[in-house]
Amino acid sequence: EAGVAQSPRYKIIEKRQSVAFWCNPISGHATLYWYQQILGQGPKLLIQFQNNGVVDDSQLPKDRFSAERLKGVDSTLKIQPAKLEDSAVYLCASSYNRGPEVWEQYFGPGTRLTVT
Amino acid sequence: AQSVSQHNHHVILSEAASLELGCNYSYGGTVNLFWYVQYPGQHLQLLLKYFSGDPLVKGIKGFEAEFIKSKFSFNLRKPSVQWSDTAEYFCAVNAPNNDMRFGAGTRLTVKP
Repeated sequence: EAGVAQSPRYKIIEKRQSVAFWCNPISGHATLYWYQQILGQGPKLLIQFQNNGVVDDSQLPKDRFSAERLKGVDSTLKIQPAKLEDSAVYLCASSYNRGPEVWEQYFGPGTRLTVT
Repeated sequence: AQSVSQHNHHVILSEAASLELGCNYSYGGTVNLFWYVQYPGQHLQLLLKYFSGDPLVKGIKGFEAEFIKSKFSFNLRKPSVQWSDTAEYFCAVNAPNNDMRFGAGTRLTVKP
C-alpha cells in the first residue's frame, strides 16, 4: 500500500513569512496527526484529526499555527507568521483508528522547515 | 500529563554487542507502548508495540521489549547488534483517548 505522502520535503523561509505543508494519509485511515520534531527531540503532537474533526489540538500554538482536514482525507498545516523557533521537521502520520482504541501510526517522510 | 524518559542520548556499540535502551513513562493508567526506529534518511517506522498480554514482546529485526508495569518501564533489547541497526530509537506511550507522547530518542551507533 502507498505510504503517507508529504510535500514539500524541504522549505526555507524568512521569519514572519507564511508557509504551508500538505499531507495525504494512507487510504482508509480515519485519523491524521501532525507532529513537530525539533532537532535533538522526539516528535511532539501538534494536532490530531479523526475524519474531518479535531480530536486534540492542545499543543498547537493557535496564534500562528492552523490546520485543516476539510474532506476528511488530506490535510494542510500552516504557519503564519513563522518564527525562528519554528525550524523543525513537521511529520504527518495516520492510523486506522475509528474509535477509542489505539492503532499503529504510520509516518510520512516529513517536511524540514528552516526559518532564517 | 504523561511523559516519557529515555535515559541514553547516544549509545555506541561494537557489532555483536548486546543492546538495552531504557524507557520510563509517568502515566499511571492503562497504556499502549511503542518503540519506533528512524534509520538514516528514512522515516519513522514501528519496531514493536505492547497493548496487552505477554509483557515480553518481539518486534522486527530481532528486537524485543519488556513491559514492567511496577517500574513503569518498557526497555528495548537486542542480544547482538549489527552495523545496520545504526539509527535513532524512540519510545512512545499512548493512553486511550490521550495523545501519543514520544521520548527524546536514543541515537545508536554500531561500529563495524
